[in-house]
This record gives sequence, structure tokens and C-alpha cells, in this order.
Amino acid sequence: SQQGEEDPQALSIQEGENATMNCSYKTSINNLQWYRQNSGRGLVHLILIRSNEREKHSGRLRVTLDTSKKSSSLLITASRAADTASYFCATDDPDSWGKLQFGAGTQVVVTP
Amino acid sequence: NAGVTQTPKFQVLKTGQSMTLQCAQDMNHNSMYWYRQDPGMGLRLIYYSASEGTTDKGEVPNGYNVSRLNKREFSLRLESAAPSQTSVYFCASSEFWDIYYGEQFFGPGTRLTVL
Repeated sequence: SQQGEEDPQALSIQEGENATMNCSYKTSINNLQWYRQNSGRGLVHLILIRSNEREKHSGRLRVTLDTSKKSSSLLITASRAADTASYFCATDDPDSWGKLQFGAGTQVVVTP
Repeated sequence: NAGVTQTPKFQVLKTGQSMTLQCAQDMNHNSMYWYRQDPGMGLRLIYYSASEGTTDKGEVPNGYNVSRLNKREFSLRLESAAPSQTSVYFCASSEFWDIYYGEQFFGPGTRLTVL
């Protein structure tokens, strides 16, 4: 079973707009990570947020974490065509160090 | 640094054939993982190795075996391939500090078709 579930499943925006996607999870975590996957490629790590952090920034990315609601959001500001990809959240398993559970992903299409 | 490499990139098997997927990392990471990704789904963990000399089952281990050959290499074997094992397979590695694991680094994937 998948721990994290992303919403929406798909998102289509124009260049320059912001893209927001959400992740909900079921059990307690040590950290939550976001990954990007371009078509036909492996996953690339974007950002990691620990359970005691509420917000984190990296370039045009902003991630929030609300452990009381068991949810996280990823915001991509001023999107570019190159941001077209699938985005996955992944949560760790505190009882089994190192294991991640991935959601099904949000497919983002950015049109010029 | 090559990061995580996987061989082969593509493979077509007939039902019942066996094969081994190879994975190597040059980042001196302790932990390595094998995932499969099916259309419209996220990654599902098949097996992982928290450190050299240890392996553990993940979410979908049936039909697979693994070998942590050394710190660098982690192979996945399909003993008798089935059409349900048609998928894209990803290897990954990561490091840990205290109770925290860091980001996982992924290989480019192996696209396997079982006829």
C-alpha cells in the first residue's frame, strides 16, 4: 500500500504560473521528501523536510509540512517548460530505517 | 562520479527465463534499494539493503531475489520471469546519519518486458 497520496493526479499550467501539489500520508514520519521524474528517466531528489520543520525553500521550490494534518505541499513558483515532469512525495518508515514509500505522483505539464 | 548505474537498460524475456539486473554506486553509500514502477503508479520497494551484508524484503518481494555483492553493488534476480514482472526497475542508494536517512539517488532504470 502507498503511504503518500498526491493531489491532483495531473496539473496543466502555463509558463510563469505557480504549480501547487499536495501529499497526504497516514502514519508518523521522520521526514518527507519530494522527487521529480522526467519522462523515461530516474527520479531526482528535490527537497527533504524533517518532521520538526514546517517550511523549507530551495530556489523556486517551497515545501510545507503539517504533521498534525499529515500533509505536505510542494509549490513551484514561476514555472518553466522544463518543469514538465511527474512529482512524487515519499515518506520514511520510522520503524524500518531507510525505507521510503512513494505516492502515485502528480503529472505536471507546463506549456509555453 | 557516475552516481548509480544500472545494466541492462532494456531487456525482453520469455516467460520462465531468468535474468539478473545489475546496480552499482560510487558514492560510498551504505544503503541500496530496488524498486519497480508500473504505469500510473509510484515506486514500490522490492528489496533493500540497509548496509553491506544485510538484505530485507520490501513491499513486493515475491518472485525476486537480491545479492549485496559488496558495498558498491546490489543485484536483483528474477528466477522465473512472469508477465506480471513487466515493469521499469530502478536501483537507488542513500546514506544515513543517526536515525535520519538522506536523499535517495536513483539509477536510470531498466525497462523489462516479459512475453
